[in-house]
Amino acid sequence: EVQLVESGGGLVQPGESLRLSCVASGFTFSSYWMSWVRQAPGKGLVSVADIMPDGSEKFYVDSVKGRFTISRDNAKNSLYLQMNSLRAEDTAVFYCVRWENNGWLRYWGQGTLVTVSS
Amino acid sequence: DIVMTQSPDSLAVSLGERATINCKSSQSVLYSSNNKNYLAWYQQKPGQPPKLLIYWASTRESGVPDRFSGSGSGTDFTLTISSLQAEDVAVYYCQQYYSNAPHSFGQGTKLEVK
Repeated sequence: EVQLVESGGGLVQPGESLRLSCVASGFTFSSYWMSWVRQAPGKGLVSVADIMPDGSEKFYVDSVKGRFTISRDNAKNSLYLQMNSLRAEDTAVFYCVRWENNGWLRYWGQGTLVTVSS
Repeated sequence: DIVMTQSPDSLAVSLGERATINCKSSQSVLYSSNNKNYLAWYQQKPGQPPKLLIYWASTRESGVPDRFSGSGSGTDFTLTISSLQAEDVAVYYCQQYYSNAPHSFGQGTKLEVK
């Protein structure tokens, strides 16, 4: 059974940093593209960062470029999102998601809530 | 960047009636070399992550009831629920995966029972 379990969310002040983690199980992690998708309270879905199976290429939505870094450790079946210079508008639930084939998203974690507030 | 626009933003349909949600992309998501539309639909219920319903615009995910169907090509797509059930109350999102990552979602359509 495929499982994606996020952790690391919490309450931080504007300008601070946070690192999210996602542990994957039930599949060959190193074979799949992975993404972080966020959802602000009461709002829609935004794919914020994607990473190739070997970690060699990474992609970001414009609003987080230069502040967020996606990475993975295939030996640990883990995906990460380092978030720096956090802003109030980054407040959201962050989902760890596995790509299928060309990019539809079949498996989602339960999400971890990040709150940026003073 | 490809912008996905859904209509309507919200919809109220009587139980047993048909529900139709539209999704329009700012450029074609039809890949000519394989004649596939790079478009997926998701359902999200309160407090839950999204659930994949349909990919390749019209391929139903395993386990999804056959009252859900997807259609369309190029830039215009539709998700149809043929006979609304109470458990279908949710927010529905379309997503394109034609462009390079990150892939964009529509803004969502909230479906309620009338």
